[in-house]
Amino acid sequence: SQQGEEDPQALSIQEGENATMNCSYKTSINNLQWYRQNSGRGLVHLILIRSNEREKHSGRLRVTLDTSKKSSSLLITASRAADTASYFCATEETSGSRLTFGEGTQLTVNP
Amino acid sequence: SQTIHQWPATLVQPVGSPLSLECTVEGTSNPNLYWYRQAAGRGLQLLFYSVGIGQISSEVPQNLSASRPQDRQFILSSKKLLLSDSGFYLCAWSQYPDSGNTIYFGEGSWLTVV
Repeated sequence: SQQGEEDPQALSIQEGENATMNCSYKTSINNLQWYRQNSGRGLVHLILIRSNEREKHSGRLRVTLDTSKKSSSLLITASRAADTASYFCATEETSGSRLTFGEGTQLTVNP
Repeated sequence: SQTIHQWPATLVQPVGSPLSLECTVEGTSNPNLYWYRQAAGRGLQLLFYSVGIGQISSEVPQNLSASRPQDRQFILSSKKLLLSDSGFYLCAWSQYPDSGNTIYFGEGSWLTVV
């Protein structure tokens, strides 16, 4: 069953703009992770935020987690054309340690 | 450092033919191993995971099977492929125990069943 659901499904912005993607989930989680996938490639881990954390930064990435709303957001600041990819959230539920991935957000950054 | 390899990268197979996708992990021991499938433009569906040699758990009933003959080797198989088996297959690993750990993915295998 689907746990994480990303919103929007697709996002197109200009280089230099910020990109925000959201993820909603349904059950209690231990942590939430964001992954990136270039077209036709494997996924690459970006950042992990634990259930007791509210915000985390890594370079141009900022992730927030609101466990009361069961939602997370990924912000990419000062986007670059190379950020063009699909971004997936994945949740580790408290009931089990395997990750469940959402459907992803396709981000296109236009030069 | 740890690396993960899966092959072949691309495969075109006729309906009813067998399948074997292989995956190996290097640089770690006793990893958790996973096979995912991804339909075009969609998310990942977990097919199988393994916490040790010979220990395979299936997440969804299907035409596929998995085996782990060695600690760092994971194989996805089918005796007779269906058209619906087409997709992008990803092998992945994480450190045991995997709670809170990152999953590392291979580069994927494109399977087209014709």
